[in-house]
Order: sequence, then structure tokens, then C-alpha cells
Amino acid sequence: NAGVTQTPKFQVLKTGQSMTLQCAQDMNHNSMYWYRQDPGMGLRLIYYSASEGTTDKGEVPNGYNVSRLNKREFSLRLESAAPSQTSVYFCASRVAGPKNIQYFGAGTRLSVL
Amino acid sequence: AQSVAQPEDQVNVAEGNPLTVKCTYSVSGNPYLFWYVQYPNRGLQFLLKYITGDNLVKGSYGFEAEFNKSQTSFHLKKPSALVSDSALYFCAVRDIDGGFKTIFGAGTRLFVKA
Repeated sequence: NAGVTQTPKFQVLKTGQSMTLQCAQDMNHNSMYWYRQDPGMGLRLIYYSASEGTTDKGEVPNGYNVSRLNKREFSLRLESAAPSQTSVYFCASRVAGPKNIQYFGAGTRLSVL
Repeated sequence: AQSVAQPEDQVNVAEGNPLTVKCTYSVSGNPYLFWYVQYPNRGLQFLLKYITGDNLVKGSYGFEAEFNKSQTSFHLKKPSALVSDSALYFCAVRDIDGGFKTIFGAGTRLFVKA
């Protein structure tokens, strides 16, 4: 049982380059999330998808776009990377409903030079 | 607006001693509260949650947390720390009417010294 799988694990970009972070879950969860983790700031929500076909902005959506490709997959795209987007990115998923816990992927460590 | 505060960046304890990692929260309604742990180069893992009922919640690896509504706190505790407990701990809150959004604290790094 793989859970939440993120690719790639590491990436280095130059300013202005674009890339897509991939996330897939095999737990049949309705809701999926993208967070960024920065030292001293905890996890901040970038975008989320409450269910297949819907996406909504979180706390820090600027500079990012997302696609909920199907129930399993939720991708995060950086159209023009900036050094401020250097961070560790986590994808998470959960069953719909406020009592349920989130399951996290192992993260993507991104550096923008 | 929801918020979570973890007042300590780092907690140091000796192996075998009790540990406490502090968390306070602010929500407009009733909260759902969570603790997650992050080991190096890994994603967050669920430890325990408070939904309703008994204020003392028991979770994985011998951890427990006490919900205190009057002090709006949800401190994480363990009677006897292990070196392997060393990790980054996150408190999180979800407003009972908040639906899909979970707010995480900044995290507290726990060091357990042998």
C-alpha cells in the first residue's frame, strides 16, 4: 500500500523555469492538498481539492496552479519559478469530513536559484 | 480566524524524563485538534486527535494529549521520553465548521538526549 506518492523527491530550478510536482494517492480519498513547509512557519496551504473536479486557493496560492486530474492525482505547477518558492512541498489526502486525518507524502525538496 | 501557536521552537529532555510539547489554539467554534510528527526527510505522520469526549487523548508510541477548553490548549505529553522520539512535532486545528482547511502550528523540535 503506497499511500501518497510524490515525484520528484528533489529538484533544482533556475529562476523563470517551470515545473510540475506530481502527487498520487491510492486510498480512494476525496480531498487532496498541497502545502509548503518553510523553517519557523510550519505548513502553509497552497491549494486544495475537496473532491474530484474542484480546486480552491489556500493561504499562499500566488505563483502556483493546480490540476485535479482525476480522483487519484493532484498536481502543482510553478509557471515561472522564483527564489521565494524554494521550499519543501508536501501533498496530502484524506477522506472527506472534518474529523478525518490527513495522510502525507514524503515531500519534494525544491531549490530555485 | 483559526490559528495555532506552538510557543517553543525547541524542547530538550533527557531520556526517561517526561516531556511536554505545548500548543494553544484559537477558533470561532468548537475545535478538532491534531498532533502530527515529522521525522527527517519524511512526511508528517498522525499521532493523535481530539474530536469530542474525554479530554485526555491517547495516541501512537505512548503519546497523549490533554484538551483544556478554558485555556484553549492541547499539550502533547509522554511520561518517559525515548531518544527515538526526537523529531519535529506539529499541532493542528480544524474548526468544527471549517470543513476542509486545517491550520498547522510552526512546529516544535524535540531533542531527547541519551
